[in-house]
Amino acid sequence: NAGVMQNPRHLVRRRGQEARLRCSPMKGHSHVYWYRQLPEEGLKFMVYLQKENIIDESGMPKERFSAEFPKEGPSILRIQQVVRGDSAAYFCASSPPARWETQYFGPGTRLLVL
Amino acid sequence: AQSVTQLDSQVPVFEEAPVELRCNYSSSVSVYLFWYVQYPNQGLQLLLKYLSGSTLVKGINGFEAEFNKSQTSFHLRKPSVHISDTAEYFCAVSEVASGTYKYIFGTGTRLKVLA
Repeated sequence: NAGVMQNPRHLVRRRGQEARLRCSPMKGHSHVYWYRQLPEEGLKFMVYLQKENIIDESGMPKERFSAEFPKEGPSILRIQQVVRGDSAAYFCASSPPARWETQYFGPGTRLLVL
Repeated sequence: AQSVTQLDSQVPVFEEAPVELRCNYSSSVSVYLFWYVQYPNQGLQLLLKYLSGSTLVKGINGFEAEFNKSQTSFHLRKPSVHISDTAEYFCAVSEVASGTYKYIFGTGTRLKVLA
């Protein structure tokens, strides 16, 4: 019973490039959340998605960031034209439709922008 | 607005000693409460959660926490810590009727168990 999968685990990008982070939720889970953890800080909510729908994106920066959770395939968090301040760990979490209150976290993707 | 405060950024404790990690929250509505542990360069693992019912919640690895509604606290305790408990601990809340179920996290407490 695989947990939440995230890839890549580590990603290095130069300023101005695009970063694409993938998250495969646990089997049967239809809710996906993305959180960002800046160095020495707690996790901050970014976006909540269900299949093909963005439910709450109140934590997403207004520009350069987007997220999707298609009918088939993993959820994608996309960061365009990365800047040094985007360097952080990005965590994905999922929860099942009947037990939404508990989120299961993936191992994270650590993004380093040079 | 919802917020979570973990007053202690670091807690050093000797092995086999008891420990309490403090968490206070602010919310105008009912909440669910969680404690997660994060080992270096890893994701978050759920330690325990309070949804309803008994205010004393037992979790994995010998941890427990008590929900105190009047003091809006959810402190984490362990009677005897091990070296392997060295990690960062995060308290989180989620509003029961929010509709989005997002978590608000505290800034974390780094537990350092000393031999």
